[in-house]
Amino acid sequence: DAKTTQPNSMESNEEEPVHLPCNHSTISGTDYIHWYRQLPSQGPEYVIHGLTSNVNNRMASLAIAEDRKSSTLILHRATLRDAAVYYCILRAYNAGGTSYGKLTFGQGTILTVHP
Amino acid sequence: DTEVTQTPKHLVMGMTNKKSLKCEQHMGHRAMYWYKQKAKKPPELMFVYSYEKLSINESVPSRFSPECPNSSLLNLHLHALQPEDSALYLCASSRRAGGDFGEQFFGPGTRLTVL
Repeated sequence: DAKTTQPNSMESNEEEPVHLPCNHSTISGTDYIHWYRQLPSQGPEYVIHGLTSNVNNRMASLAIAEDRKSSTLILHRATLRDAAVYYCILRAYNAGGTSYGKLTFGQGTILTVHP
Repeated sequence: DTEVTQTPKHLVMGMTNKKSLKCEQHMGHRAMYWYKQKAKKPPELMFVYSYEKLSINESVPSRFSPECPNSSLLNLHLHALQPEDSALYLCASSRRAGGDFGEQFFGPGTRLTVL
């Protein structure tokens, strides 16, 4: 499985934008880039995913580099509720492959949001 | 209903006990997953079911036995567990296992303690 590299931790102030980076230099052409987050004492929560183009949803934006070897999750205005571990994950697209449907979580980035 | 429910929330069992964890979703999803998460570690995939058939087993010891009796229900049968199996067991579901069906919905987990 292709691996991702994220900073161990990041800090932000409330109501400021947060840019969470992820490197995935061995990404294959059929890997989707997924982001999940896990709040304390909860199961992981889907944030966003993309393949090649930048993506926006109500929670965040995902900016994908042109060569797809890195991506950035953007939280436009951090709130205290955004304090969590953020996981960047590569997920294989191919049906029938051995990694079909598989999410392999890395260590993630612990985001601390200060009031 | 966009919820994955897991029962029980907490379970304490001895090494000779047999117990089962239950996971349920009513979103019409045809892929369901079991993950194991040790304290301060990321979730690790155990099993993937696609259309009620086991499609991925991540070399999980046979003392963990998954079962998918129908498209809404996923069980994990536990027998002769070891103390190191104590962890948070997370269930997740998604529309399909592969392709661009990105979002996995996670349940809150069952906190298992093996004495």
